[in-house]
Amino acid sequence: EIVMTQSPATLSVSPGERATLSCRASQSVSSNLAWYQQKPGQAPRLLIYGASTRATGIPARFSGSGSGTEFTLTISSLQSEDFGVYYCQQYNKRPPKTFGQGTKVEIK
Amino acid sequence: EVQLVQSGAEVKKPGESLRISCKGSGYSFTGYWINWVRQMPGKGLEWVGRIHPSDSYTSYSPSFQGHVTFSIDKSISTAYLQWSRLKASDTAMYYCATNVDCTTGLCYDDSWGQGTLVTVSS
Repeated sequence: EIVMTQSPATLSVSPGERATLSCRASQSVSSNLAWYQQKPGQAPRLLIYGASTRATGIPARFSGSGSGTEFTLTISSLQSEDFGVYYCQQYNKRPPKTFGQGTKVEIK
Repeated sequence: EVQLVQSGAEVKKPGESLRISCKGSGYSFTGYWINWVRQMPGKGLEWVGRIHPSDSYTSYSPSFQGHVTFSIDKSISTAYLQWSRLKASDTAMYYCATNVDCTTGLCYDDSWGQGTLVTVSS
């Protein structure tokens, strides 16, 4: 099973600042990496797939990069509505798909 | 528009059985995998497994194999997640999810149900 490790656990960012979230895979997942945002009481929402492709309707301030084992989600200018928990998920080749433990983004 | 609508919250006792549902609409239900995801209180997301509605082919995460069962009723476009003997540790929110652009292999999930809260307590 591929283990996904996210860092940091919590990130406090002021509105307008850049937020950088990291995700590391225990073995290569190529570009088969997605990012989700989850707000309290809501289902997860897909932000990024294929490591760098924004999902439909996702603002351009969200960007993803990386391949292999190291991935980054960047929020270029944090808005107040961007608070929540962000999860990475690998979907490489064979089950099981696995999630990282999440990074909580707090508005400073 | 792809929609997944899940059944309502459940409160059960340890040892009881339970089946929760996920009804798909707005797409060809039998064409795409239904995934199940668990979220324990205050914790992260865990992939439980998936089922293909066309033939009920299943794939379970090793952590859940043998404790849960997936099933399908094609006639009503509904997927089910069931337990024969619940434990207190099954207390969690359970989501179903799909991707109608995914026909082979593993994929990300871009359509999610609203979640079903399962509480198991004596």
